[in-house]
Amino acid sequence: NAGVTQTPKFQVLKTGQSMTLQCAQDMNHEYMSWYRQDPGMGLRLIHYSVGAGITDQGEVPNGYNVSRSTTEDFPLRLLSAAPSQTSVYFCASSSHGQNYGYTFGSGTRLTVV
Amino acid sequence: SQQGEEDPQALSIQEGENATMNCSYKTSINNLQWYRQNSGRGLVHLILIRSNEREKHSGRLRVTLDTSKKSSSLLITASRAADTASYFCATDAGNMLTFGGGTRLMVKP
Repeated sequence: NAGVTQTPKFQVLKTGQSMTLQCAQDMNHEYMSWYRQDPGMGLRLIHYSVGAGITDQGEVPNGYNVSRSTTEDFPLRLLSAAPSQTSVYFCASSSHGQNYGYTFGSGTRLTVV
Repeated sequence: SQQGEEDPQALSIQEGENATMNCSYKTSINNLQWYRQNSGRGLVHLILIRSNEREKHSGRLRVTLDTSKKSSSLLITASRAADTASYFCATDAGNMLTFGGGTRLMVKP
């Protein structure tokens, strides 16, 4: 049971490049979310999904796209990378969403130069 | 803006002492959760308390919730050096889990 797997672990992008951060879970969780964490701060919600085919925006969605074609996968796409998107990105999943804890991946550390 | 705010932002104690962290939030919630994050790692779920519960225990952890004051506290008893980490409260008000800024705990051996 791998839990939540994020790839890559580290990435350096040039301003304007696009890329996709991958997230996969093998727990059959309905809820999946993407967060970013900036130095010394808590996590801010980017996008979330309550099930396959359903996505919604969180607190800081600008510059990011998501899709949820399967229960297992929830990729996060950066459309045109900017230095302000330098951050650590965490994917998380949960069963049912309410009254259940979330399982987090180990994170992707992204630097945009 | 973040829903939860932790207090203090940083806490340094000696091994064996108790550590108390507080969390305040702004809107009605379904539940409140506490997470631990070791340096450079992902978050680990510690404990969840529902909005109709007032206190919950898990090992050396004790969580209280006061919905009238919109606040929660996390108590770690008999702290260990391995408890050194950042601790975050998170509120679940529906489909979204919203985090506070965290408390950085250092436990000195």
